[in-house]
Amino acid sequence: DSGVTQTPKHLITATGQRVTLRCSPRSGDLSVYWYQQSLDQGLQFLIQYYNGEERAKGNILERFSAQQFPDLHSELNLSSLELGDSALYFCASSPFAGDLYEQYFGPGTRLTVT
Amino acid sequence: ELKVEQNPLFLSMQEGKNYTIYCNYSTTSDRLYWYRQDPGKSLESLFVLLSNGAVKQEGRLMASLDTKARLSTLHITAAVHDLSATYFCAVDRGVNNDMRFGAGTRLTVKP
Repeated sequence: DSGVTQTPKHLITATGQRVTLRCSPRSGDLSVYWYQQSLDQGLQFLIQYYNGEERAKGNILERFSAQQFPDLHSELNLSSLELGDSALYFCASSPFAGDLYEQYFGPGTRLTVT
Repeated sequence: ELKVEQNPLFLSMQEGKNYTIYCNYSTTSDRLYWYRQDPGKSLESLFVLLSNGAVKQEGRLMASLDTKARLSTLHITAAVHDLSATYFCAVDRGVNNDMRFGAGTRLTVKP
């Protein structure tokens, strides 16, 4: 158990809908990262937040957005969902902002868009 | 654009044997990470390599980084069944913290 929690574990929704995925980092970690894992695209880095501020952006679609709240939990919002958005979404946390630190991954949210 | 290539993508080996997984990347970076993923599970960090010549070992796994060759290796010594998993390398380009993952190497260790 990494100490990172994600909810929900599974999510099934229809095309065109909007969903919110939630992540709570390990106690004391200030950075949260979001990743998408799919058969087509493999593992992709989406976005990083550090202490409430966006720190880095990867291959995140404009239909997706994220935020980190004062209590350091983070939410990933996916809108206008398409079939291709079906994937496993992981969040990870680390103590600080830099890339020198090990990231601890949550169990993931499996999103199925029908 | 940063590209990360792992090979082999599939590896079947017998217990007790040694093997190496390779991770090549296309642009300059001195930050490379190795992760393990069990089927249906999340990713577990194995190694963080932060400089040229870095070598780290944990149990039967040893990782190294050659930034000049843009190559990292994950060496498996005397494989055991418990090492069966998918192994990913990831490279941080250092620009915008853009981390790119390899496609993964699915390792199966047979008795």
